[in-house]
Amino acid sequence: GEDVEQSLFLSVREGDSSVINCTYTDSSSTYLYWYKQEPGAGLQLLTYIFSNMDMKQDQRLTVLLNKKDKHLSLRIADTQTGDSAIYFCAQKRSWGKFQFGAGTQVVVTP
Amino acid sequence: NAGVTQTPKFQVLKTGQSMTLQCAQDMNHEYMSWYRQDPGMGLRLIHYSVGAGITDQGEVPNGYNVSRSTTEDFPLRLLSAAPSQTSVYFCASSNSRGGSYEQYFGPGTRLTVT
Repeated sequence: GEDVEQSLFLSVREGDSSVINCTYTDSSSTYLYWYKQEPGAGLQLLTYIFSNMDMKQDQRLTVLLNKKDKHLSLRIADTQTGDSAIYFCAQKRSWGKFQFGAGTQVVVTP
Repeated sequence: NAGVTQTPKFQVLKTGQSMTLQCAQDMNHEYMSWYRQDPGMGLRLIHYSVGAGITDQGEVPNGYNVSRSTTEDFPLRLLSAAPSQTSVYFCASSNSRGGSYEQYFGPGTRLTVT
């Protein structure tokens, strides 16, 4: 089937920028999402981007979309310890159907 | 609004037992989904619904049944539990209003099958 792939782990120093990468295969996806999961909790939407956009900025978060390469990235500026979590990339498939990557564990060190 | 609620939070079953995981949302969302989360595999879609009375299979539907008799409720039934169904189960809802189809997730049910 159509896959969403992410690297599994990222370590970053507090105050640095984090960049989490994702590749997807379904070029018909209209929306792509980034979710955050803290330990023991459900997923929370961080941001999303519509497929006709190249970039979206929301405070410390910047999403870049390269449709030609089917590559999505999430940049977190000035990373804080509270940003330690698992980050999931997801694509909208058909009506009501979404596909998620395996998640990237981000560890922020002092 | 309570958002998406799931019960129970934790459950231990013996192989062969059946049970129903409950999910409810109070946001009048059209779409509801069930996922399971396993280490290193992310979230995999079990079943989903695009409205009351309409359900469809996801990636890993075997061993699970769903029904959607109301907009609010979307229970997941395990017919005969197996150790391979040990996982964390998440229910989510979304709608098409505003166009982003943002999904709201419940807190999850941690299921262990022995």
